[in-house]
Amino acid sequence: DVKVTQSSRYLVKRTGEKVFLECVQDMDHENMFWYRQDPGLGLRLIYFSYDVKMKEKGDIPEGYSVSREKKERFSLILESASTNQTSMYLCASSPADRADGNTIYFGEGSWLTVV
Amino acid sequence: RKEVEQDPGPFNVPEGATVAFNCTYSNSASQSFFWYRQDCRKEPKLLMSVYSSGNEDGRFTAQLNRASQYISLLIRDSKLSDSATYLCVVAFSNDYKLSFGAGTTVTVRA
Repeated sequence: DVKVTQSSRYLVKRTGEKVFLECVQDMDHENMFWYRQDPGLGLRLIYFSYDVKMKEKGDIPEGYSVSREKKERFSLILESASTNQTSMYLCASSPADRADGNTIYFGEGSWLTVV
Repeated sequence: RKEVEQDPGPFNVPEGATVAFNCTYSNSASQSFFWYRQDCRKEPKLLMSVYSSGNEDGRFTAQLNRASQYISLLIRDSKLSDSATYLCVVAFSNDYKLSFGAGTTVTVRA
């Protein structure tokens, strides 16, 4: 069965802390994505990666960075967490050359609260 | 203007009722369309793709109107388990990403 695993479901961090959100997929997918979801705004793409060590900015990359050292793992980094980064973060993966709504799989989400 | 817009609802309906709602998209180059379902504090999951000719999956019917740039979802004979947020998702032909609506919340009451 397809599996995207996010290591932390619920986190509480202090302003200014460095935060790592980890995501692992077991489907050998080339593409991996990080989204954040906020009420009334839908899912917004932060970064995506189409290959190991490759990354592309999404719609809202400011304040975030990513790392993809291995094909199965895609990490989201908040260098200095701020309260406006309190949100639900969703990792996803896809095998296609382009993101296809039929073949994108999401992790369960990570709820981050920055205080 | 948002690329994908949905009526947030909530739509509160009794069991057995029919509920329908739309999603509009702004980019006429949009290629493919989907409805996702998201339960509270869970990840989105694919409900169904939306085809040009319209399509059904059990009690769910999806329609696409390219001329007016909207898609719709109709749920017949609503069940309590249909209570969720329904996300409209649009993919573009030459892009790597999906565009998500903010969701329409449906609550089915006994």
